[in-house]
Amino acid sequence: EPEVTQTPSHQVTQMGQEVILRCVPISNHLYFYWYRQILGQKVEFLVSFYNNEISEKSEIFDDQFSVERPDGSNFTLKIRSTKLEDSAMYFCASRRQGGSGELFFGEGSRLTVL
Amino acid sequence: DQQVKQNSPSLSVQEGRISILNCDYTNSMFDYFLWYKKYPAEGPTFLISISSIKDKNEDGRFTVFLNKSAKHLSLHIVPSQPGDSAVYFCAGSNGGGFKTIFGAGTRLFVKA
Repeated sequence: EPEVTQTPSHQVTQMGQEVILRCVPISNHLYFYWYRQILGQKVEFLVSFYNNEISEKSEIFDDQFSVERPDGSNFTLKIRSTKLEDSAMYFCASRRQGGSGELFFGEGSRLTVL
Repeated sequence: DQQVKQNSPSLSVQEGRISILNCDYTNSMFDYFLWYKKYPAEGPTFLISISSIKDKNEDGRFTVFLNKSAKHLSLHIVPSQPGDSAVYFCAGSNGGGFKTIFGAGTRLFVKA
């Protein structure tokens, strides 16, 4: 069964460093998303991406964040200068055209900022 | 952003009984509502959805009910099994699904 894969599973970084989280969505899906979950809190929407551009973003997704689909298979989330409060589990998701908007999530990348 | 609310952080149910998880929403523009299940250290997994024009959708042991006038939906699991123990998230989707908003989740414990 096709699945969304994310790398790395865990990354530890120093405050102020750049981080890139990578995702390979399901191959025939057209919509891509990043969500995050701070420990013990809700799953928060960050950004959605369709047709090679951002379609929606939340107030969390400020200038420190960017997304890219560089090669038609990978979908990346970059945090330019990490802050302590960026420590969270980051989930990538994708979905196909139509339907109920069912999202397929990856296993997540845990980011720890020290 | 409190568009989707799950007011019960946890629920404990005996195996074989019914589990009822509740969700309220404020955004009338949602066109689909979805339930996801999440185990620790895993991503959320889609469980069941309902269109905003329906009031019930059933899939095996899982049934979702939608009350649009009350802006309330519920997920019924019957019979509950120990493997159902997980965090359940309610979510609303609109605008072609560009933005799906999740509730805070309800942790379900099913006791054997």
